[in-house]
Amino acid sequence: GAVVSQHPSWVICKSGTSVKIECRSLDFQATTMFWYRQFPKQSLMLMATSNEGSKATYEQGVEKDKFLINHASLTLSTLTVTSAHPEDSSFYICSALTGGQPQHFGDGTRLSIL
Amino acid sequence: KQEVTQIPAALSVPEGENLVLNCSFTDSAIYNLQWFRQDPGKGLTSLLLIQSSQREQTSGRLNASLDKSSGRSTLYIAASQPGDSATYLCAVRPQAAGNKLTFGGGTRVLVKP
Repeated sequence: GAVVSQHPSWVICKSGTSVKIECRSLDFQATTMFWYRQFPKQSLMLMATSNEGSKATYEQGVEKDKFLINHASLTLSTLTVTSAHPEDSSFYICSALTGGQPQHFGDGTRLSIL
Repeated sequence: KQEVTQIPAALSVPEGENLVLNCSFTDSAIYNLQWFRQDPGKGLTSLLLIQSSQREQTSGRLNASLDKSSGRSTLYIAASQPGDSATYLCAVRPQAAGNKLTFGGGTRVLVKP
């Protein structure tokens, strides 16, 4: 079945560091990719939606200069958390969608900022 | 604004019992509804996708129904196993939201051996 690969699965870094997370659709071309954030024991919160070759659309309250999204191809999107601080520590999950197919999710990236 | 609710928030059953998970949504104008499973510290695994024109979907021990007019979906898991322990999320894709899924809060399921 369709697979979305997310890398890395776990990142621990110092405050002030920028962290890049990659999301790849492995066996289909994703017209749209999504980035979510999830806090412990809560549901997913959509951060932004990106379409290949165009600027991402950010949800209200999400800082676009803080969370840079690049969707360079139909199979790759990246999320860069710039100058990360402890409050950015969270579980980030990407997702990919094409046509009327099920939306598929990556395994998530646990980001811990010290 | 579309709202999705899942009740109960948590459920504990003995192994072998059938599971019934409920999902309700406020706006019936949806493209589809999707059920997911999430294990601790992991992403979401798609279980079943029901298009708005369909009334149910089945995969193995899983069966999901959709009653769009009443804004409800139910996920049935037959003969539960300890490996079914996870959080189950339902999500709807509203017609008016530009492809953005709206998630319920999830039901945390524990199947006891």
